Amino acid sequence: AQKITQTQPGMFVQEKEAVTLDCTYDTSDPSYGLFWYKQPSSGEMIFLIYQGSYDQQNATEGRYSLNFQKARKSANLVISASQLGDSAMYFCAMRSDYSSASKIIFGSGTRLSIRP
Amino acid sequence: GAVVSQHPSWVICKSGTSVKIECRSLDFQATTMFWYRQFPKQSLMLMATSNEGSKATYEQGVEKDKFLINHASLTLSTLTVTSAHPEDSSFYICSAPRLADDNEQFFGPGTRLTVL
Repeated sequence: AQKITQTQPGMFVQEKEAVTLDCTYDTSDPSYGLFWYKQPSSGEMIFLIYQGSYDQQNATEGRYSLNFQKARKSANLVISASQLGDSAMYFCAMRSDYSSASKIIFGSGTRLSIRP
Repeated sequence: GAVVSQHPSWVICKSGTSVKIECRSLDFQATTMFWYRQFPKQSLMLMATSNEGSKATYEQGVEKDKFLINHASLTLSTLTVTSAHPEDSSFYICSAPRLADDNEQFFGPGTRLTVL
Protein backbone atom coordinates (compact mmCIF):
# COMPACT_ATOMS: atom_id res chain seq x y z
CA ALA A 1 0.00 0.00 0.00
CA GLN A 2 1.07 3.54 -0.67
CA LYS A 3 1.56 6.03 2.12
CA ILE A 4 2.65 9.64 2.40
CA THR A 5 3.90 11.04 5.72
CA GLN A 6 4.30 14.69 6.62
CA THR A 7 5.56 14.99 10.18
CA GLN A 8 5.36 18.78 10.54
CA PRO A 9 1.81 19.87 11.27
CA GLY A 10 2.87 23.51 11.43
CA MET A 11 5.88 25.71 10.80
CA PHE A 12 6.72 29.35 11.40
CA VAL A 13 9.39 30.99 9.27
CA GLN A 14 10.72 34.52 9.04
CA GLU A 15 10.10 36.29 5.76
CA LYS A 16 12.96 35.94 3.23
CA GLU A 17 14.32 32.83 4.91
CA ALA A 18 14.40 29.46 3.19
CA VAL A 19 12.16 26.71 4.49
CA THR A 20 12.13 22.94 4.05
CA LEU A 21 8.92 20.97 4.33
CA ASP A 22 9.44 17.28 5.00
CA CYS A 23 7.80 14.42 3.16
CA THR A 24 8.48 10.70 3.24
CA TYR A 25 6.67 8.08 1.28
CA ASP A 26 6.25 4.37 1.07
CA THR A 27 5.45 2.37 -2.04
CA SER A 28 6.34 -0.95 -3.58
CA ASP A 29 5.86 0.36 -7.11
CA PRO A 30 9.09 0.87 -9.05
CA SER A 31 7.61 3.77 -10.97
CA TYR A 32 5.80 6.62 -9.26
CA GLY A 33 5.40 10.38 -9.21
CA LEU A 34 5.66 12.82 -6.35
CA PHE A 35 3.85 16.15 -6.14
CA TRP A 36 3.64 19.18 -3.92
CA TYR A 37 0.50 21.29 -3.75
CA LYS A 38 -0.24 24.53 -1.97
CA GLN A 39 -3.70 25.20 -0.54
CA PRO A 40 -4.37 28.77 0.61
CA SER A 41 -7.33 29.63 2.79
CA SER A 42 -9.53 29.92 -0.32
CA GLY A 43 -9.33 26.13 -0.66
CA GLU A 44 -7.99 25.91 -4.19
CA MET A 45 -5.23 23.38 -4.83
CA ILE A 46 -2.24 24.95 -6.52
CA PHE A 47 0.27 22.64 -8.21
CA LEU A 48 3.84 23.52 -7.29
CA ILE A 49 6.22 20.86 -8.48
CA TYR A 50 6.50 17.29 -9.77
CA GLN A 51 9.25 14.66 -9.49
CA GLY A 52 9.21 11.36 -11.33
CA SER A 53 10.84 8.41 -9.65
CA TYR A 54 13.23 7.92 -12.56
CA ASP A 55 14.18 11.56 -12.90
CA GLN A 56 17.91 11.89 -12.36
CA GLN A 57 17.84 15.51 -11.29
CA ASN A 58 15.85 17.20 -8.57
CA ALA A 59 12.91 19.16 -9.90
CA THR A 60 12.94 22.95 -9.65
CA GLU A 61 10.23 25.53 -10.37
CA GLY A 62 11.20 29.08 -9.59
CA ARG A 63 11.58 29.40 -5.81
CA TYR A 64 10.49 25.80 -5.31
CA SER A 65 12.80 22.83 -5.45
CA LEU A 66 12.24 19.22 -4.53
CA ASN A 67 15.00 17.46 -2.63
CA PHE A 68 14.45 13.92 -3.86
CA GLN A 69 16.34 11.19 -2.02
CA LYS A 70 15.08 7.96 -3.50
CA ALA A 71 16.98 5.57 -1.24
CA ARG A 72 15.58 7.31 1.82
CA LYS A 73 12.13 7.65 0.21
CA SER A 74 11.97 11.32 0.94
CA ALA A 75 10.78 14.21 -1.20
CA ASN A 76 11.21 17.41 0.76
CA LEU A 77 10.04 20.74 -0.63
CA VAL A 78 12.42 23.67 -0.34
CA ILE A 79 11.08 27.19 -0.68
CA SER A 80 13.78 29.78 -1.07
CA ALA A 81 13.37 33.41 0.02
CA SER A 82 9.96 32.91 1.58
CA GLN A 83 7.27 35.54 1.08
CA LEU A 84 4.19 36.46 3.09
CA GLY A 85 2.06 35.01 0.32
CA ASP A 86 3.61 31.60 0.93
CA SER A 87 1.53 31.21 4.10
CA ALA A 88 -0.76 28.27 3.36
CA MET A 89 -1.22 24.52 3.77
CA TYR A 90 1.23 22.42 1.81
CA PHE A 91 0.50 18.86 0.78
CA CYS A 92 2.89 16.23 -0.45
CA ALA A 93 1.25 13.68 -2.73
CA MET A 94 2.11 10.55 -4.66
CA ARG A 95 0.81 8.74 -7.69
CA SER A 96 1.64 5.25 -8.84
CA ASP A 97 2.55 5.39 -12.51
CA TYR A 98 1.32 1.87 -12.91
CA SER A 99 -2.16 2.95 -12.00
CA SER A 100 -4.13 3.58 -15.15
CA ALA A 101 -6.46 5.73 -13.11
CA SER A 102 -3.56 7.93 -12.02
CA LYS A 103 -5.10 8.60 -8.65
CA ILE A 104 -3.12 10.73 -6.24
CA ILE A 105 -2.97 10.23 -2.48
CA PHE A 106 -2.09 13.03 -0.13
CA GLY A 107 -0.13 13.44 3.07
CA SER A 108 -1.64 15.10 6.11
CA GLY A 109 -0.21 18.50 5.22
CA THR A 110 1.96 21.17 6.81
CA ARG A 111 0.63 24.61 7.68
CA LEU A 112 3.31 27.16 6.86
CA SER A 113 3.12 30.61 8.39
CA ILE A 114 5.50 33.34 7.26
CA ARG A 115 6.32 36.04 9.81
CA PRO A 116 6.99 39.60 8.53
CA GLY B 1 -3.86 26.58 -19.04
CA ALA B 2 -6.20 23.74 -18.24
CA VAL B 3 -9.11 24.62 -16.02
CA VAL B 4 -11.49 22.49 -14.02
CA SER B 5 -14.67 24.07 -12.71
CA GLN B 6 -17.10 22.98 -10.04
CA HIS B 7 -20.68 23.98 -9.47
CA PRO B 8 -21.96 25.06 -7.08
CA SER B 9 -19.11 26.60 -5.13
CA TRP B 10 -21.13 26.28 -1.95
CA VAL B 11 -24.47 24.79 -0.98
CA ILE B 12 -26.55 24.63 2.17
CA CYS B 13 -29.26 22.00 2.37
CA LYS B 14 -31.57 20.39 4.84
CA SER B 15 -30.89 16.96 6.26
CA GLY B 16 -32.40 14.23 4.11
CA THR B 17 -32.16 16.04 0.79
CA SER B 18 -29.86 15.14 -2.10
CA VAL B 19 -27.26 17.46 -3.51
CA LYS B 20 -25.58 17.26 -6.92
CA ILE B 21 -22.11 18.68 -7.53
CA GLU B 22 -20.76 19.10 -11.04
CA CYS B 23 -17.14 18.90 -12.13
CA ARG B 24 -16.22 20.09 -15.63
CA SER B 25 -12.97 20.14 -17.51
CA LEU B 26 -13.21 23.34 -19.54
CA ASP B 27 -10.54 23.04 -22.20
CA PHE B 28 -9.50 19.42 -22.23
CA GLN B 29 -11.05 15.98 -22.20
CA ALA B 30 -10.79 13.73 -19.18
CA THR B 31 -11.72 10.06 -19.30
CA THR B 32 -11.02 9.94 -15.60
CA MET B 33 -11.87 12.36 -12.83
CA PHE B 34 -11.36 12.05 -9.11
CA TRP B 35 -13.50 13.09 -6.19
CA TYR B 36 -11.97 14.05 -2.86
CA ARG B 37 -13.45 15.08 0.45
CA GLN B 38 -11.68 17.38 2.87
CA PHE B 39 -12.84 17.97 6.44
CA PRO B 40 -11.68 21.13 8.23
CA LYS B 41 -7.94 21.20 8.92
CA GLN B 42 -7.51 17.75 7.41
CA SER B 43 -6.05 16.38 4.24
CA LEU B 44 -7.80 15.45 1.02
CA MET B 45 -9.21 11.95 1.14
CA LEU B 46 -9.88 10.23 -2.16
CA MET B 47 -13.48 9.07 -2.35
CA ALA B 48 -13.76 7.62 -5.83
CA THR B 49 -12.49 7.52 -9.37
CA SER B 50 -15.00 8.56 -11.98
CA ASN B 51 -14.65 6.76 -15.31
CA GLU B 52 -16.29 8.03 -18.48
CA GLY B 53 -18.75 5.50 -19.81
CA SER B 54 -18.36 3.03 -16.97
CA LYS B 55 -18.95 2.61 -13.27
CA ALA B 56 -17.02 4.61 -10.74
CA THR B 57 -14.41 2.96 -8.56
CA TYR B 58 -14.91 3.71 -4.88
CA GLU B 59 -12.27 3.74 -2.18
CA GLN B 60 -12.63 1.45 0.77
CA GLY B 61 -15.15 2.73 3.28
CA VAL B 62 -16.98 5.03 0.87
CA GLU B 63 -20.64 4.12 0.41
CA LYS B 64 -21.42 3.93 -3.29
CA ASP B 65 -25.17 4.23 -2.69
CA LYS B 66 -24.57 7.36 -0.65
CA PHE B 67 -22.24 9.08 -3.09
CA LEU B 68 -23.50 8.53 -6.62
CA ILE B 69 -21.05 9.33 -9.37
CA ASN B 70 -21.90 9.75 -13.04
CA HIS B 71 -19.32 10.50 -15.73
CA ALA B 72 -21.60 11.12 -18.68
CA SER B 73 -19.13 12.78 -21.03
CA LEU B 74 -15.43 13.45 -21.46
CA THR B 75 -15.81 16.82 -19.77
CA LEU B 76 -18.37 16.27 -17.02
CA SER B 77 -18.57 14.20 -13.86
CA THR B 78 -21.22 14.61 -11.20
CA LEU B 79 -21.26 13.63 -7.55
CA THR B 80 -24.64 13.30 -5.87
CA VAL B 81 -24.75 13.13 -2.10
CA THR B 82 -27.99 11.29 -1.42
CA SER B 83 -30.03 11.79 1.75
CA ALA B 84 -27.41 14.15 3.11
CA HIS B 85 -26.82 14.39 6.84
CA PRO B 86 -24.79 16.87 8.91
CA GLU B 87 -21.82 14.50 8.97
CA ASP B 88 -21.64 14.82 5.18
CA SER B 89 -20.82 18.50 5.56
CA SER B 90 -17.40 18.91 4.01
CA PHE B 91 -15.36 20.45 1.22
CA TYR B 92 -15.64 18.34 -1.94
CA ILE B 93 -12.95 18.73 -4.60
CA CYS B 94 -12.67 17.12 -7.99
CA SER B 95 -9.59 16.72 -10.13
CA ALA B 96 -8.77 15.57 -13.62
CA PRO B 97 -5.61 14.59 -15.45
CA ARG B 98 -5.37 15.84 -19.01
CA LEU B 99 -5.31 12.92 -21.48
CA ALA B 100 -2.10 13.97 -23.17
CA ASP B 101 -0.18 14.64 -20.00
CA ASP B 102 -1.22 13.38 -16.62
CA ASN B 103 1.86 14.45 -14.76
CA GLU B 104 -0.31 17.23 -13.46
CA GLN B 105 -3.72 16.89 -11.93
CA PHE B 106 -5.96 19.89 -12.40
CA PHE B 107 -8.14 20.56 -9.42
CA GLY B 108 -11.49 22.25 -9.29
CA PRO B 109 -12.02 25.12 -6.84
CA GLY B 110 -14.07 22.90 -4.54
CA THR B 111 -17.65 22.84 -3.27
CA ARG B 112 -18.43 23.53 0.34
CA LEU B 113 -21.45 21.51 1.46
CA THR B 114 -23.23 22.35 4.69
CA VAL B 115 -26.07 20.09 5.77
CA LEU B 116 -28.34 21.52 8.44
